[in-house]
Amino acid sequence: DAGVTQSPTHLIKTRGQHVTLRCSPISGHKSVSWYQQVLGQGPQFIFQYYEKEERGRGNFPDRFSARQFPNYSSELNVNALLLGDSALYLCASSLAPSEELFFGEGSRLTVL
Amino acid sequence: GQSLEQPSEVTAVEGAIVQINCTYQTSGFYGLSWYQQHDGGAPTFLSYNGLDGLEETGRFSSFLSRSDSYGYLLLQELQMKDSASYFCAVRDQSNQGGKLIFGQGTELSVKP
Repeated sequence: DAGVTQSPTHLIKTRGQHVTLRCSPISGHKSVSWYQQVLGQGPQFIFQYYEKEERGRGNFPDRFSARQFPNYSSELNVNALLLGDSALYLCASSLAPSEELFFGEGSRLTVL
Repeated sequence: GQSLEQPSEVTAVEGAIVQINCTYQTSGFYGLSWYQQHDGGAPTFLSYNGLDGLEETGRFSSFLSRSDSYGYLLLQELQMKDSASYFCAVRDQSNQGGKLIFGQGTELSVKP
């Protein structure tokens, strides 16, 4: 069975640009969460979606947005990139919002 | 504020036992989880404690004391492959969802 898949795995952007990160959950999982992990720190919660509805939002600026599609895949969008947005962006899926999280390998974003 | 404290690094030898402590201060509490992460890859779920006491899963055990806001992960019969970062994470009940608050992580180095 395929795990959580994320794309792209690595990308480089410049300040001010926009980025879209994609996530496909494990088959049957209806909840997707996004986390940002800066080097040397623990993951920080950005968003959670369940059944296409936003269920939670972390302390991130409005430049960060996300959505979940009818097939439960998800996109994370970040506008007006800053150097500080450089991080590993992790997607996690679960059967339901309070169930165990299964993480993908992440998308490593570098902003120059 | 919400915070989780865990040691930044621990070193042990193969075959030994190591304990990684975690203390937390969160507005809501809905269980303590432990995740393992190798070299910035996908965090992998290890253990969950919703109630006080010890949970055992093979070589790994986890303990929780809600009255002390404290838990630990115990790794026995250490192997070289156990070298990784270990994160404790609290599920924030106030969000009524899957939001996890992660600690900064403990880097475990297993020496021959």
